[in-house]
Amino acid sequence: DADVTQTPRNRITKTGKRIMLECSQTKGHDRMYWYRQDPGLGLRLIYYSFDVKDINKGEISDGYSVSRQAQAKFSLSLESAIPNQTALYFCATSASRGLNQPQHFGDGTRLSIL
Amino acid sequence: AQSVTQLDSQVPVFEEAPVELRCNYSSSVSVYLFWYVQYPNQGLQLLLKYLSGSTLVESINGFEAEFNKSQTSFHLRKPSVHISDTAEYFCAVTLSEGQGFSFIFGKGTRLLVKP
Repeated sequence: DADVTQTPRNRITKTGKRIMLECSQTKGHDRMYWYRQDPGLGLRLIYYSFDVKDINKGEISDGYSVSRQAQAKFSLSLESAIPNQTALYFCATSASRGLNQPQHFGDGTRLSIL
Repeated sequence: AQSVTQLDSQVPVFEEAPVELRCNYSSSVSVYLFWYVQYPNQGLQLLLKYLSGSTLVESINGFEAEFNKSQTSFHLRKPSVHISDTAEYFCAVTLSEGQGFSFIFGKGTRLLVKP
């Protein structure tokens, strides 16, 4: 089983719909992250959380919200989806021993908004 | 603002030839440097990281990267590539900024190994 699991793997929806992407992990890490990947733009950070009570905005948080339901669960919501939010979304985790810890990624959720 | 620049969007190379993927970063503070690899339909996987100490870092599959503080570079090299190295490679930095933190990825370099 994957250490970082994202659901769904693929989603097609319509403009204006509310979407939730879920992430769960079995690595026991405190830190979790949401990124989006667009062709030619690399990965950009949306939100990150260093523990259950800590939520921080990343580079591109507008139009997104997150919820850290437990140490192992971190969900990303699009309250009213728009076409330019079509992208590949990744959840990642890292250990809490400083900034020198690598991140561990899920396999991604491909989101298409029509 | 901090940034990571990967100068080449795509690098074609023949099998068994050497390759260098370039990465430069801009930061006036100390950073931690990483290279990640992404195979098709998968998430990113750590390839190697520089934290401190020796400026040359090696991975288990033959890649190496050299940290050059004066040139703010962290180029990735492999002396002889295989078909299976075909993937996208991302350079990344993490740093502490003021009250928060930054996690910055380059735009990626697609390595295409040809037979």
